[in-house]
Amino acid sequence: GAVVSQHPSWVICKSGTSVKIECRSLDFQATTMFWYRQFPKQSLMLMATSNEGSKATYEQGVEKDKFLINHASLTLSTLTVTSAHPEDSSFYICSARDNKIGVSGNTIYFGEGSWLTVV
Amino acid sequence: GEDVEQSLFLSVREGDSSVINCTYTDSSSTYLYWYKQEPGAGLQLLTYIFSNMDMKQDQRLTVLLNKKDKHLSLRIADTQTGDSAIYFCAEIRDYKLSFGAGTTVTVRA
Repeated sequence: GAVVSQHPSWVICKSGTSVKIECRSLDFQATTMFWYRQFPKQSLMLMATSNEGSKATYEQGVEKDKFLINHASLTLSTLTVTSAHPEDSSFYICSARDNKIGVSGNTIYFGEGSWLTVV
Repeated sequence: GEDVEQSLFLSVREGDSSVINCTYTDSSSTYLYWYKQEPGAGLQLLTYIFSNMDMKQDQRLTVLLNKKDKHLSLRIADTQTGDSAIYFCAEIRDYKLSFGAGTTVTVRA
């Protein structure tokens, strides 16, 4: 099946620094990718929709200057957490929507997630 | 809170069937999904169903959809210890997935 790869799986950074998380669709093209945040024992909260070649669309309450999203190609979206603070520590998951029409056209695949710990 | 609602916990004996229930809100949702999340891992797509279908079966998994009541269920036959995980149902709304809170399934010997 379709594969979405996230990197890094685990990252620890110092407070005040920035960290970048990559999301790649490995065997399909994805004009649209999504970034989610998940707190322990909670559901996924959609942060933003990443659109190839255009600006990301952020959900209400998500700071776009803090969570920078770049979707430079049809297979790569990046999330940069700028000036990270301990409260940004969380599990970040991306997903990608397959561009192909038909049955898979509305199927969205998830990456394995990235654990961010800010110390 | 979430508009997609699920019961939070389910305990089942190994070998029995598990049934996880979900209610959703958007009657225009074209697809409904079930995802599995194991501890510390991302989401794995288990199955999805078109809104014009009532049932979909895929090996041990059976999805039932009642559009009138906006009710979705996932049945896992012959539940195994490897099925212990959190299961999320999700609906497509405005081209984005909206998730329930997840049902933690614990399989006991």
